[in-house]
Amino acid sequence: KAGVTQTPRYLIKTRGQQVTLSCSPISGHRSVSWYQQTPGQGLQFLFEYFSETQRNKGNFPGRFSGRQFSNSRSEMNVSTLELGDSALYLCASSGLISMNTEAFFGQGTRLTVV
Amino acid sequence: SQQGEEDPQALSIQEGENATMNCSYKTSINNLQWYRQNSGRGLVHLILIRSNEREKHSGRLRVTLDTSKKSSSLLITASRAADTASYFCATDGHPGGGADGLTFGKGTHLIIQP
Repeated sequence: KAGVTQTPRYLIKTRGQQVTLSCSPISGHRSVSWYQQTPGQGLQFLFEYFSETQRNKGNFPGRFSGRQFSNSRSEMNVSTLELGDSALYLCASSGLISMNTEAFFGQGTRLTVV
Repeated sequence: SQQGEEDPQALSIQEGENATMNCSYKTSINNLQWYRQNSGRGLVHLILIRSNEREKHSGRLRVTLDTSKKSSSLLITASRAADTASYFCATDGHPGGGADGLTFGKGTHLIIQP
């Protein structure tokens, strides 16, 4: 079956703009999580959605938001972009209700803010 | 914040040798997972070990977990050039308590010299 698909793969935005990233989980998976990866901070948890509801949220400012649709596809939005938002954004899906299980990651969206 | 801390940060060995990476964490966990990442791409799940397990094998991988020391190790036997990647441990606990996504360490960058 198809893996986790993230679009776009690469994105260049200007400071102050907003951006929307998309994630299609593995078919049948209802949990979608988002992570930010930077050289300085490593991999950090942004938020997790399950059945269209945000279930968990990491320690990021309100400029970072997300949503999940009825088909489990998820989007994350970053408003008023800052240079420090340049990162690899990874989406992961999981098939079970609990977070205590294997997560399948997409290839990521590399966002560059100039 | 980072809970898992991998050691060493970088490791370079000859093809055919064994590679051992260690991970320490701070809070109680339900399980610990190891992931591999090739060159800034998506993460690939390697193995999950539950808190009541002490050792687990998968192909050339062997993972141990010592909950009393809050540490885990990943052993890759008979290394191959294709094993060159960054390896991350991830836990489901959070320093602040409660479910909060996976918490990743900063990773060990493994280089296999042909």
